[in-house]
This record gives sequence, structure tokens and C-alpha cells, in this order.
Amino acid sequence: NAGVMQNPRHLVRRRGQEARLRCSPVKGHSHVYWYRQLPEEGLKFMVYLQKENIIDESGMPKERFSAEFPKEGPSILRIQQVVRGDSAAYFCASSPTASSGNTIYFGEGSWLTVV
Amino acid sequence: KNQVEQSPQSLIILEGKNCTLQCNYTVSPFSNLRWYKQDTGRGPVSLTIMTFSENTKSNGRYTATLDADTKQSSLHITASQLSDSASYICVVISDRGSTLGRLYFGRGTQLTVWP
Repeated sequence: NAGVMQNPRHLVRRRGQEARLRCSPVKGHSHVYWYRQLPEEGLKFMVYLQKENIIDESGMPKERFSAEFPKEGPSILRIQQVVRGDSAAYFCASSPTASSGNTIYFGEGSWLTVV
Repeated sequence: KNQVEQSPQSLIILEGKNCTLQCNYTVSPFSNLRWYKQDTGRGPVSLTIMTFSENTKSNGRYTATLDADTKQSSLHITASQLSDSASYICVVISDRGSTLGRLYFGRGTQLTVWP
């Protein structure tokens, strides 16, 4: 994984608390994707962002979830009032452009556990 | 509906043996297909990228094939090693129109290589 940094790697939250997951893409990459992987399941698309813009958030739950990719700083996936069903691995990926020929690099994931 | 189906769901082989993993997709419009390897607790790592015009592509002991007419792909692993034990994920990219930047993931084939 060529440089996509996610933190924290592991996060434990009580029901009702907020979880903030951060993703720093590969240097120079302006496209960021967030995916969620539930236990024993495949990766599911959540949101696709470019700098300061949300391009496609069709995979995001309508409530409690939000994402941003500011001009400066990492992309943030924010989950408010977490519930047990939010427990999953959240992966961030980045690419230099949306061009189909580019390799998309994944981070190592952030594991959220809601207790 | 855009879907990616992988088979088998899980596979156990002996070290040194070959195996073939299958991927069928209905994603449209199709741009390219990728195979990723995901070790337990890690992020996916790209193995191959195949565009519409490519039928076969190799990366060391990994050989991917693509039949865009039947919308099928396979990943062949030769002379398997213990380190090949991982989940292999088929990903189809549709990067035009309303699906710009979308990656569609299969649920993966969990490969276990025994000594």
C-alpha cells in the first residue's frame, strides 16, 4: 500500500458516541474513496470525494454518516451516535485522477468496534 | 443492477499446487477489472489491472484472464506458496456518467494454502 495512511487503526466507541476516521491519501492524489467491510463480507462503496467536493455519496447511510476532504488536511469519515451495527473495517483508497488506468491504493483500514 | 460475483467462496489447496478463481460481473458501463489480494487485517493490494481489450495479463505466479463478451474473469495462481493464503477480490470499475469513479467489489475468495 503505497502511502495511504489511515488512523486510528483501531477504535473502540460506546453506543451513542462519535467516531472520526482519518485518511491521508498518497501525496499528490486528489481522489479519495471510502469503503466499509463488515465481518465475513466484501468491501462496500460508501463515498467518493475530490478535494473539497463530494462526487458520489450514494453508498453512505442517510443519517449519522458524513465525509469530507478539505483543501488542506486528511479526509475525514465521521459517524455520529454510533450503534453496534457500525462495527466494521473502514478502508480508504486514493488515486491521482478518476482515470480508469490508474492504480488505486488502499490504506490498511480502521477497525471500529462499538461496545 | 451492477454486481460482481466470485467463486468459490473459499478454497483450500496444498502448497505447490495450482488454482483458479472465478469472477463474473454485470457492471455497466465497464471500464476495467482488477484483482486485489487482501491479507487478514490488511488493506487490499493490487495484483492486476485489465482493460476491455486485454485478454490475459501476468504478474509473477498470478495470471488473470478477461472475456469481456461473457463478462468473466479468472485469476490463476501457479505453484502456490503459504504466503498466498489471503482473500482475493475481483473489482470492476465503471468510470463514466453517473457511475464515475465507482468500484464494484466481489465478496472475495478466501484461499488457504496448506503445507
